[in-house]
Amino acid sequence: QKEVEQDPGPLSVPEGAIVSLNCTYSNSAFQYFMWYRQYSRKGPELLMYTYSSGNKEDGRFTAQVDKSSKYISLFIRDSQPSDSATYLCAMSGKNTGNQFYFGTGTSLTVIP
Amino acid sequence: EPEVTQTPSHQVTQMGQEVILRCVPISNHLYFYWYRQILGQKVEFLVSFYNNEISEKSEIFDDQFSVERPDGSNFTLKIRSTKLEDSAMYFCASSETDRNQPQHFGDGTRLSIL
Repeated sequence: QKEVEQDPGPLSVPEGAIVSLNCTYSNSAFQYFMWYRQYSRKGPELLMYTYSSGNKEDGRFTAQVDKSSKYISLFIRDSQPSDSATYLCAMSGKNTGNQFYFGTGTSLTVIP
Repeated sequence: EPEVTQTPSHQVTQMGQEVILRCVPISNHLYFYWYRQILGQKVEFLVSFYNNEISEKSEIFDDQFSVERPDGSNFTLKIRSTKLEDSAMYFCASSETDRNQPQHFGDGTRLSIL
């Protein structure tokens, strides 16, 4: 069962572009939604953490959750070459156990 | 900023040998986790640990795997008799007070089974 689906890309954009990354999920019990950034040969680094539906902004990053559509997004404004990485969505819920359920990750390259 | 540290960064082991992967979670965190990531695949949950016992484990975490918190700072994953398919990145993570709080990951141990 594919709990979390994420387009693996790769996605290539010019510097300064707005990037949109997305995940869909099937389990309506998910309530906590995370975005992680993973550089090559490094561990996932937490970028955004949101609870339930709505938007959250942190600098150039905006996370959106639409629970009715079971769809989450991460927007990166004014993308920089240093944003080049794999972006992982992850989610969990009060009744889904202790683990986070991860997407496959989207590989992003920002071209100078 | 506090971080999760893992050692070694790379471990090469002969098939059938035992291996121990080590982690130092963030000091005030109470929940600890192991995940693995086979090359090109999703990050997969192995086990969670709270209050000195396993709170949940996945189907991957069979009798060959065990976890331990031998002292107040370390958290270890042992694989008793390694198989070729155990080759992967193994990530340790910790979270502060609740299993749904953000999990902070270490940089992983790359395990290569020959």
